[in-house]
Amino acid sequence: DTAVSQTPKYLVTQMGNDKSIKCEQNLGHDTMYWYKQDSKKFLKIMFSYNNKELIINETVPNRFSPKSPDKAHLNLHINSLELGDSAVYFCASSQGVAGAETQYFGPGTRLLVL
Amino acid sequence: GQNIDQPTEMTATEGAIVQINCTYQTSGFNGLFWYQQHAGEAPTFLSYNVLDGLEEKGRFSSFLSRSKGYSYLLLKELQMKDSASYLCAVKDSNYQLIWGAGTKLIIKP
Repeated sequence: DTAVSQTPKYLVTQMGNDKSIKCEQNLGHDTMYWYKQDSKKFLKIMFSYNNKELIINETVPNRFSPKSPDKAHLNLHINSLELGDSAVYFCASSQGVAGAETQYFGPGTRLLVL
Repeated sequence: GQNIDQPTEMTATEGAIVQINCTYQTSGFNGLFWYQQHAGEAPTFLSYNVLDGLEEKGRFSSFLSRSKGYSYLLLKELQMKDSASYLCAVKDSNYQLIWGAGTKLIIKP
């Protein structure tokens, strides 16, 4: 059984387009996250979503918006894609946010903006 | 600012032992994680330390010294499948994970 799943796995698109990435977790976790991993392999938190509370990393452009239809899903919508948005985007989930709570990652979505 | 430092790349021989170091400076501390990430795949959890000392889990062990802002991951009896990046991450006072850039470990036969 897949714990955290993302679609699509690969996404190639033109600058200026709008795209969405979907994430679902079947672990019954309360908290979900979106990360961006750039070419230097740094994992940067973009959003975390816990019990309808959204915490936004202030460095994330407002072209990026998370949407959570329910506790098991956290989708990422990106408007007006730019070349610098090319990266791997990982969704993750955890039971909570306390110290020992482990984050479990989806397989990643490889986004290439041309 | 918050900072996690680890070596960019290390090379070791199959069957040997390797130690990957991580130093951190964060706003608060709520635990340190090590994750393994194979090329093209997602990070997977290896270990969690919140108290000083050594945590052993099979061939992998993780050590923490909070006073020194230091941790290491020790991998014993290295296997080719251990070739991967190893990511150190610290939970800060807001319970956000701050990630290092990872150490790429290359295992040679």
